[in-house]
Amino acid sequence: QVQLVQSGAEVKKPGASVKVSCKASGYTFTTYGITWVRLAPGQGLQWMGWISTYNGNTNYAQKLQGRVTLTTETSTNTAYMELRSLRYDDTAVYYCARRPRGSGFFDSWGQGTLVTVSS
Amino acid sequence: QSVLTQPASVSGSPGQSITISCTGTSSDVGDYNYVSWYQQHPGKAPRLMIYDVSNRPSGVSNRFSGSKSGNTASLTISGLQAEDEADYYCSSYRSSSTLVVIFGGGTKLTVL
Repeated sequence: QVQLVQSGAEVKKPGASVKVSCKASGYTFTTYGITWVRLAPGQGLQWMGWISTYNGNTNYAQKLQGRVTLTTETSTNTAYMELRSLRYDDTAVYYCARRPRGSGFFDSWGQGTLVTVSS
Repeated sequence: QSVLTQPASVSGSPGQSITISCTGTSSDVGDYNYVSWYQQHPGKAPRLMIYDVSNRPSGVSNRFSGSKSGNTASLTISGLQAEDEADYYCSSYRSSSTLVVIFGGGTKLTVL
């Protein structure tokens, strides 16, 4: 069955960087894109961006442009999300999700990774 | 990016039907048939319930249905059950300098 397994919780200081991984199994990795979404305390879901696992093309949310980088490693069926210059309001649960090619929806999700930004 | 507008909360009794609205603009909901709905229980990952306005993924109960009129999309849940109590989010494509995805602010459904 389709599974997306994310790396564990992280605690980072303001200004640091975090890199979250998302390992896919149960399907052909390069036939679906990967998107990243976060859920901050007391707020709603926020789309961060997506990456084509086929050719590496990316599209980022304007609010995070310049601080976020999405990458994939097809040899290990793993996607990565790196967020730099962390701020307190980056504290959130970060999710990866699978995106059928050319679609606007996300049909399978990782379990989430809590990133806490604290001094 | 700005969010789509959803009611903060809705409620209903078991067996009743409820509808959650999702209002956008002519640049997102009104321009694309790429509206989807997600259910999220506390501490769990979101789950896709409706895609492309009105399609149900395999495994989702036919008590869940979606529709769209103009700039407003809707999710209807009929025959409410206790396990339907969750947060619900709509999402849509939005055209800007690039094609992006936006979410609604979320609606807390309480089953009385």
